[in-house]
Amino acid sequence: DAKTTQPPSMDCAEGRAANLPCNHSTISGNEYVYWYRQIHSQGPQYIIHGLKNNETNEMASLIITEDRKSSTLILPHATLRDTAVYYCIVRLNNNAGNMLTFGGGTRLMVKP
Amino acid sequence: DGGITQSPKYLFRKEGQNVTLSCEQNLNHDAMYWYRQDPGQGLRLIYYSQIVNDFQKGDIAEGYSVSREKKESFPLTVTSAQKNPTAFYLCASSEAGGPRNEQFFGPGTRLTVL
Repeated sequence: DAKTTQPPSMDCAEGRAANLPCNHSTISGNEYVYWYRQIHSQGPQYIIHGLKNNETNEMASLIITEDRKSSTLILPHATLRDTAVYYCIVRLNNNAGNMLTFGGGTRLMVKP
Repeated sequence: DGGITQSPKYLFRKEGQNVTLSCEQNLNHDAMYWYRQDPGQGLRLIYYSQIVNDFQKGDIAEGYSVSREKKESFPLTVTSAQKNPTAFYLCASSEAGGPRNEQFFGPGTRLTVL
């Protein structure tokens, strides 16, 4: 699986959009971009994933650049409960193990 | 309610003792995983199992053992051979395939070796 690079920490004001970047310059054509988040002392939670098109669900939007070397997770209206570590993961979307390789992630602090 | 459970939430053991962490899921998932997390770090894969009676080593399997006798259960034993066992242990499960290939995580067990 390709490696990812994320800033170690970010701050965001409550109610504003949080834009979390991720670089994955060695991504291959059949690898997907996944985002998980982990609230303190809990298990990680799936947020969203995509291949090359932008994706949106009830939690967030995922913007993937045309060359697929980077992506941005957008939380449109951050709340205090969105304070967590956000992990960007690149992996194949097949039946071969489905393992996730977690990097250090970005610690997002949403401030009132 | 469907989900994945781990017990206990906090566990203490004396150095040199083996200890088994429980992981149960009622999601009918074929695949299950064990991860270890150290403070301020990401998760690292210990073992995973894609089907009953089969499992594979992850990145840091030394000092750990698992079994998968039932689809719902994937217990992890931390043996005395694990040199630094104090950590937060997370269990997860997923469908073998499917459009999201999402892993569902349990609440974790925090193990402290005294």
